[in-house]
Amino acid sequence: AQSVTQLGSHVSVSEGALVLLRCNYSSSVPPYLFWYVQYPNQGLQLLLKYTSAATLVKGINGFEAEFKKSETSFHLTKPSAHMSDAAEYFCAVSGIQGAQKLVFGQGTRLTINP
Amino acid sequence: DADVTQTPRNRITKTGKRIMLECSQTKGHDRMYWYRQDPGLGLRLIYYSFDVKDINKGEISDGYSVSRQAQAKFSLSLESAIPNQTALYFCATSEQNPYNEQFFGPGTRLTVL
Repeated sequence: AQSVTQLGSHVSVSEGALVLLRCNYSSSVPPYLFWYVQYPNQGLQLLLKYTSAATLVKGINGFEAEFKKSETSFHLTKPSAHMSDAAEYFCAVSGIQGAQKLVFGQGTRLTINP
Repeated sequence: DADVTQTPRNRITKTGKRIMLECSQTKGHDRMYWYRQDPGLGLRLIYYSFDVKDINKGEISDGYSVSRQAQAKFSLSLESAIPNQTALYFCATSEQNPYNEQFFGPGTRLTVL
């Protein structure tokens, strides 16, 4: 079985500050990991994904995430927050075996303070 | 034009009514999914379909049914809507490989009174 835990349902940072959104996963098989972003009144958009190649993954809009197997983590970071980063972020996991079913975390709402 | 479209975008209905949510895609993907989003719970899988003849229940399928009318169309039905089905519903599509991303529609906001 697979599961995802996102630590912190709400994160607030100042514009220009570091963004760190935490994601821990549980998987009995080598996982594929994803970060999606949801802007207000929109569907989910892929930010980045880990597919067992490089452990440091770069995505769109300056975001990146590092896969750490020993910590079962896939935290999302951005060096300098921008007002346009305000959104809800979802971490998700799927396994290489069986169906391609994504299991999502609870989501983290990111607020950017001017 | 959007690759994954959902209709309606918003719907208010009453308890006991039957309602259908529709999803269409132009991405040519075989796999399609229905999720519901509730605050604090993330997205949960209702049903998924790997092709027209292959439909599977997700983790919360009770109270829902689906129809895959064609490769490009996947509909979700609530036979007798109840208030706790009030949620944001998303359709998604993907290619066959598990490391490929899922592409999401804009969502349907459903309110059951």
